Amino acid sequence: NAGVTQTPKFQVLKTGQSMTLQCAQDMNHEYMSWYRQDPGMGLRLIHYSVGAGITDQGEVPNGYNVSRSTTEDFPLRLLSAAPSQTSVYFCASSPRGLAGGRTDTQYFGPGTRLTVL
Amino acid sequence: SQQGEEDPQALSIQEGENATMNCSYKTSINNLQWYRQNSGRGLVHLILIRSNEREKHSGRLRVTLDTSKKSSSLLITASRAADTASYFCATDKTGTYKYIFGTGTRLKVLA
Repeated sequence: NAGVTQTPKFQVLKTGQSMTLQCAQDMNHEYMSWYRQDPGMGLRLIHYSVGAGITDQGEVPNGYNVSRSTTEDFPLRLLSAAPSQTSVYFCASSPRGLAGGRTDTQYFGPGTRLTVL
Repeated sequence: SQQGEEDPQALSIQEGENATMNCSYKTSINNLQWYRQNSGRGLVHLILIRSNEREKHSGRLRVTLDTSKKSSSLLITASRAADTASYFCATDKTGTYKYIFGTGTRLKVLA
């Protein structure tokens, strides 16, 4: 199993550009989530999904959109990039979802380092 | 606002010593988890303790949970240079599917 994969690893955008960060998992996990980590800080939840077709907002959702059309994929879209969105973005998955699965352990991808100029 | 806050923010110890870090949170939870992050890398899950558990062990790790004080501690015994990393607690609030992370403790183990 590849686990959780994220692409790209690095990205530089100009203010106002849009882009999509890709996240995929091959563990058949119901729960997937996106976090951002700013220097010297913990992770803040952007959006999460408890199963295909179901998404919800986390702590810091503004400026980001998500969709979950399949169990495997959970892309994060930046609508109009701003310098405040410069951060490292992590995707994670967990067996836990609406249908059960009580493990609750989250498996993280390697991250995408995004710089907005 | 952050659900979890870790203390201390940074800790420096000698190899072989024990390292203790603490986490406080604000609301009722289903479980509390500890993660390790090596510099510039993704997070690795260390241990999970459920709200009805008080103590849990895994190798050199010992985690305690006090739900009355809304706090947890992570003890790493006989630390090694390879334990140098940032450690985060994460909680999921009862009735939600949101995991909230603390600000982390940066541990440095000196050889």
